[in-house]
Amino acid sequence: EDKVVQSPLSLVVHEGDTVTLNCSYEVTNFRSLLWYKQEKKAPTFLFMLTSSGIEKKSGRLSSILDKKELFSILNITATQTGDSAVYLCAVLISGSARQLTFGSGTQLTVLP
Amino acid sequence: EPEVTQTPSHQVTQMGQEVILRCVPISNHLYFYWYRQILGQKVEFLVSFYNNEISEKSEIFDDQFSVERPDGSNFTLKIRSTKLEDSAMYFCASHEWGTTGVVKLFFGSGTQLSVL
Repeated sequence: EDKVVQSPLSLVVHEGDTVTLNCSYEVTNFRSLLWYKQEKKAPTFLFMLTSSGIEKKSGRLSSILDKKELFSILNITATQTGDSAVYLCAVLISGSARQLTFGSGTQLTVLP
Repeated sequence: EPEVTQTPSHQVTQMGQEVILRCVPISNHLYFYWYRQILGQKVEFLVSFYNNEISEKSEIFDDQFSVERPDGSNFTLKIRSTKLEDSAMYFCASHEWGTTGVVKLFFGSGTQLSVL
């Protein structure tokens, strides 16, 4: 059975801190790994990673994939209260349907 | 940025009743999905739809569920006879064809279904 495991489950930090969120996976026919931010309702897309070792960056957020060790990390530097959300990792499996298998998410709370 | 639109945002129904959840995917997208998230649990895949037919479905998507694209814009999920355990947030998602095989899935804001 395909598995995506995120850690930690929750994290509380203060503004300005740097956080690292982890995602490991065991799936057949891996295609890509995606990170989403879920604040109130809809997950919003952050990154898609397909190749190992290539860092994706967007402002204070960055992410990298290790296909040999089967994990990805999401880094957020200089955190702000607006970064408080659940961060979801999902793996896209090869195949016609391209369904996503999600992890449980990491609840990040950034305190002022 | 273009959006996937879902209505209603919240649906309350009695057990055994039929519900239809509606979605308007992004206009040039070709692949459509329904996911659900039971409170406190993972987001789970239900069904994918392409070229007017189901591509793949999970074990959750039993005979009580059906999907339809009745016209060029709407994509609906019908639950024929709702059960208490169907209470969840239902997300619609869509993406366009990715020529590199890499796709970016856009999610709607969800319909919270409460079955009483």
